[in-house]
Amino acid sequence: DTAVSQTPKYLVTQMGNDKSIKCEQNLGHDTMYWYKQDSKKFLKIMFSYNNKELIINETVPNRFSPKSPDKAHLNLHINSLELGDSAVYFCASSQDRFGANYGYTFGSGTRLTVV
Amino acid sequence: RKEVEQDPGPFNVPEGATVAFNCTYSNSASQSFFWYRQDCRKEPKLLMSVYSSGNEDGRFTAQLNRASQYISLLIRDSKLSDSATYLCAESYSGGGADGLTFGKGTHLIIQP
Repeated sequence: DTAVSQTPKYLVTQMGNDKSIKCEQNLGHDTMYWYKQDSKKFLKIMFSYNNKELIINETVPNRFSPKSPDKAHLNLHINSLELGDSAVYFCASSQDRFGANYGYTFGSGTRLTVV
Repeated sequence: RKEVEQDPGPFNVPEGATVAFNCTYSNSASQSFFWYRQDCRKEPKLLMSVYSSGNEDGRFTAQLNRASQYISLLIRDSKLSDSATYLCAESYSGGGADGLTFGKGTHLIIQP
């Protein structure tokens, strides 16, 4: 049983399109995150939700909009995709908002390529 | 958001050798520290948390030096399967929802 699952695993799309990535965790964790890993492998936080409430919103273009319908799901919608959005997007979860003490569990990533 | 710095490598190390790398952090308020391992085209996986007193898990030892603001990872008797990118991470508030800040990773290659 996959703990943190993301769909799709690969996404190839044209510039200007709108796309969504879905994430679900079955660990009973309260906090979920979106991270972006660029071509230089740098892993940067984008958003964090704790019990469906937005906690972190790093400097991310407002074309990116997260949505958490319940604490087990955190989706990412991207409008007007640009070439620079090409990256691997990882969803992660932690036990609670202090769960850094126990580390995060990452999903397997969504490899987004914008052409 | 504060910085976390790592030597990107690659570190080319013969099998069986001991290898160590450090990671420096800039925020003295950082409270939680971790080492993650990331294999090529895979997600990061938690290797170990780093405690103030230092901790060991088999061949792996992690240390925290608050005075000099760095954490270290030592791998003894390295195996071919240890080849990966090792990411250090810190949480400056100790609060999980504030997110972990990752270094850019150190690429380790164990050679037969």
